[in-house]
Amino acid sequence: SQKIEQNSEALNIQEGKTATLTCNYTNYSPAYLQWYRQDPGRGPVFLLLIRENEKEKRKERLKVTFDTTLKQSLFHITASQPADSATYLCALDMMDSNYQLIWGAGTKLIIKP
Amino acid sequence: SQTIHQWPATLVQPVGSPLSLECTVEGTSNPNLYWYRQAAGRGLQLLFYSVGIGQISSEVPQNLSASRPQDRQFILSSKKLLLSDSGFYLCAWSGRARETQYFGPGTRLLVL
Repeated sequence: SQKIEQNSEALNIQEGKTATLTCNYTNYSPAYLQWYRQDPGRGPVFLLLIRENEKEKRKERLKVTFDTTLKQSLFHITASQPADSATYLCALDMMDSNYQLIWGAGTKLIIKP
Repeated sequence: SQTIHQWPATLVQPVGSPLSLECTVEGTSNPNLYWYRQAAGRGLQLLFYSVGIGQISSEVPQNLSASRPQDRQFILSSKKLLLSDSGFYLCAWSGRARETQYFGPGTRLLVL
């Protein structure tokens, strides 16, 4: 079955630098991949979606790449700020008859001032 | 704009007691609805999803059940809570295109 791996260790980044988070999957490529932000005690909030035929997607300081050969998506935050500190989750949708998104456990990002 | 509500925000219940968590969505019609549970430091585990009134699919065998009595109302229930039911419960909705899920604020459940 499809599995997702996100770095379980917290990522510490200095303010102003670019933070890069990784999402790896094991089997066949999803129809699309999504990134969400989750703050402590809150529900996840959608950030970006990238389709299997897209290489890169941008939104303000955020950038997502999708490499189906490497079976990997990278999520970048440029000019990082302490307010970007949160847990970031990736999720895959295989677009099969099952309505389930496959979720990673998330990576905690800490931006130090 | 669309809004999703969940209540209560926190709940402490004794083992063996019943449970009812409610989720309602505003500003959209015919949404897909989802119940998730999230353990600390873990990913989201899908418990139930619904594509319409009275249509419930269960993803994992468990002590819980779900119902959708109205188009924009989704209820998570249990007749007798177990210690292992403790966790953070999230309700979400998506459009028919299924591309993005929008989450409620969540309910923190502690079973003692």
